[in-house]
Amino acid sequence: ETGVTQSPTHLIKTRGQQVTLRCSSQSGHNTVSWYQQALGQGPQFIFQYYREEENGRGNFPPRFSGLQFPNYSSELNVNALELDDSALYLCASSLPGTSGGDTQYFGPGTRLTVL
Amino acid sequence: SQKIEQNSEALNIQEGKTATLTCNYTNYSPAYLQWYRQDPGRGPVFLLLIRENEKEKRKERLKVTFDTTLKQSLFHITASQPADSATYLCALLSNQAGTALIFGKGTTLSVSS
Repeated sequence: ETGVTQSPTHLIKTRGQQVTLRCSSQSGHNTVSWYQQALGQGPQFIFQYYREEENGRGNFPPRFSGLQFPNYSSELNVNALELDDSALYLCASSLPGTSGGDTQYFGPGTRLTVL
Repeated sequence: SQKIEQNSEALNIQEGKTATLTCNYTNYSPAYLQWYRQDPGRGPVFLLLIRENEKEKRKERLKVTFDTTLKQSLFHITASQPADSATYLCALLSNQAGTALIFGKGTTLSVSS
């Protein structure tokens, strides 16, 4: 069973640029959630995808957008980067409706630095 | 809005003692609560889930309690070891999406030998 993987591991961008982060969910998991974790804080929910449709969104502006593909992998896109977007971006996959399906399995994260 | 608080940012204890971490929440009645462990620079790792109709759950040296009246969960690590040193996150099922979670800031546990 392959765990959740994310790429890239680290990324440095400048203000105003755009970035795409990628996530491969655990085998068979149809739900992917994205979280932003600033230094010293807990993860904050950005949005969730279930079977290629956005299934809910946290308090993040529209310049944060995403996609989920038929193989359930996912992308997080951030436009017009701001300094405050510097954080660890975490992807988590799950399989709701099954035994143990409420557990979220996190990837190692992508560390984004905006200069 | 839903709010979750972990009372201590840091907890230092000696090896062999029991560590007790607290998680309080307001403005919500979650169907379940989860605890995760996070090591520096890594993603959170699931430890335990406790549902609203369960009072207590155990897994090896870990124990979680859930008091829906007090709106509080306690997380215990018995016979703590230096390898238990990490940040522990409490998380509630959010009302923003199917299985989205709201996390506390975490408590960083340091176990000294």
